[in-house]
Amino acid sequence: NAGVMQNPRHLVRRRGQEARLRCSPMKGHSHVYWYRQLPEEGLKFMVYLQKENIIDESGMPKERFSAEFPKEGPSILRIQQVVRGDSAAYFCASSRQGVEKLFFGSGTQLSVL
Amino acid sequence: GDSVTQMEGPVTLSEEAFLTINCTYTATGYPSLFWYVQYPGEGLQLLLKATKADDKGSNKGFEATYRKETTSFHLEKGSVQVSDSAVYFCALTPSGNTPLVFGKGTRLSVIA
Repeated sequence: NAGVMQNPRHLVRRRGQEARLRCSPMKGHSHVYWYRQLPEEGLKFMVYLQKENIIDESGMPKERFSAEFPKEGPSILRIQQVVRGDSAAYFCASSRQGVEKLFFGSGTQLSVL
Repeated sequence: GDSVTQMEGPVTLSEEAFLTINCTYTATGYPSLFWYVQYPGEGLQLLLKATKADDKGSNKGFEATYRKETTSFHLEKGSVQVSDSAVYFCALTPSGNTPLVFGKGTRLSVIA
């Protein structure tokens, strides 16, 4: 029973490029949460999605960041025109319902040169 | 808004020592409280949780008690092992669907 799968594990981009981070939730899970972890900081909530719907994007920067969770396929977190400050670990978590039992992926480490 | 404050690390202990990691919270109502653990290179794993006042969550020798009067959820373990070396995060949710709010994490190193 595969867990939450995130890829790539490491992503290197130059300033101004686009970064696409993928998250495949556990089988049967329709709730996906994205978090960002900066060095020496806790996880900061970014966005909560259910299939084809954004439920809560209160933690997403207003510009350059977007997320989707299509009917088929993984959830995608897209960062356009990356800047050095976007360098962080991005974690995805999934659940069947709510946050009482979240399962996290191993994260994508984004490095912006 | 809701927030979680953890003791700052790193914490270094010898094997078999007693562990306490302090966690206090600010929230309206009656949040659910969690401890997550992150081993090197991995994602977070749920360690234990408590959903109402005076509940005690426990797992793998770790335990924490939901204290509403002191708004605390301190993590304890009677005898740590080298394999417990990790980063520990305290978290809360005001309700079952509201995204978790995390503390900054406390790095624990256990030496043999």
